[in-house]
Parts: sequence; structure tokens; C-alpha cells
Amino acid sequence: EPEVTQTPSHQVTQMGQEVILRCVPISNHLYFYWYRQILGQKVEFLVSFYNNEISEKSEIFDDQFSVERPDGSNFTLKIRSTKLEDSAMYFCASSQEGATVNTIYFGEGSWLTVV
Amino acid sequence: AQSVTQLGSHVSVSEGALVLLRCNYSSSVPPYLFWYVQYPNQGLQLLLKYTTGATLVKGINGFEAEFKKSETSFHLTKPSAHMSDAAEYFCAVSSNQAGTALIFGKGTTLSVSS
Repeated sequence: EPEVTQTPSHQVTQMGQEVILRCVPISNHLYFYWYRQILGQKVEFLVSFYNNEISEKSEIFDDQFSVERPDGSNFTLKIRSTKLEDSAMYFCASSQEGATVNTIYFGEGSWLTVV
Repeated sequence: AQSVTQLGSHVSVSEGALVLLRCNYSSSVPPYLFWYVQYPNQGLQLLLKYTTGATLVKGINGFEAEFKKSETSFHLTKPSAHMSDAAEYFCAVSSNQAGTALIFGKGTTLSVSS
């Protein structure tokens, strides 16, 4: 069964450093998303991406964050100047274009620990 | 605007007992509703979804949920709990437009005792 894959599974970084989280969405999907889950809290929407541009973003997704589709398969989340409160599980997800059901499939997540 | 409220952050049942996890939603447009499960140290797995049509939907692992528009609810049930059902369960809502974000509830941790 096709799946969303994410790398790294766990990254530890020092405060102030830049981090890039990588994702390979399901191959025939055209909508891509990043969500995050701070330990013990709910899953929060960050951003959605379609046709090489951001289609929707939450108030969490400020100038510290950026997304990119550098090639035909990868979808990345860049976090600049990381802060302690950026420590969280980051989930990549994807869904099909034109699907009658907006079913979003999630990867297994990337744990980011900022120290 | 859409939102989801999951009543009870923690539910404990005995093996073989009925599982009931509550979810209420708010939506200004016809909602699409989802239940996801998260096992320890794993990602989010889709359990079931409601779009249109039959209001009782069946998912994987014996779970089902019923959409009740009048009550704005989408509660998740399973007739007989199994130890392997212990996990975090998230209810989520979205609109019917492709590419719109899922809005999640805070989650309910299900514990199953023998």
C-alpha cells in the first residue's frame, strides 16, 4: 500500500539552528500538508501546498517556517532559527486532487527536539 | 469555521467491554468527519470516515461511528475492546473541498485492561 515517508524519524538540534524535515508524499497525490503535535497536545495544522504554492496556512506558520517542493517527489519543511517550543512531532501528509473525499494520509512523523 | 470537541481525554475499559469515544463538531458547511488512531511512537492511521450517504460508517479493526447531524456528533464505538486497541484516538473535521485542512480534536487516550 502506498505510504507517506518522512525523514529523519528523529532529529536533535540546538536552539537557533535551521532544520529541514523531508517528506515523500504518495506518488499520485497533489495536495501536501504539514501538521505538528507538541507532546501531549493535539495535532495542529501548519500548512497545505498545491500546484507549487501554499494554499492554506495557520497562524502557527509564520516567517520562521517555509515549505518547498524541490523536485518531483520531495516536500520539505524548513524551520529557521529553532526555538525550544518548536520541539514536537511533525507530520507530513498528502491527499489526491479531485478526490470526492478529502482523505488525508499521514506519514509516521519526524520527532524534532530542540535543546 | 470548524472545530472538534472530544469529551474525555482518557477512557478506560476492560477487555471485552464496549468502547465509546465521544466527538462533537462544529461546522458552517457540510462536514467530512474522520477518526484517526495513533499507536505509541507511530503516525496517524485512518480508522474511518464519513462523507455523505449512510450515516453509520464502519472502519478497520471493528470500529464504527455514526454521524448524527441533529446532535452534531460522530461518536466512535467498538462492541468489544481488545488489548491492542489501546492507543490515542483523534476525531477530525474538514470541508468537502479537496486540499482543505483537517481540524483535529485534542484526542482521547484509550486504555484497555485485562
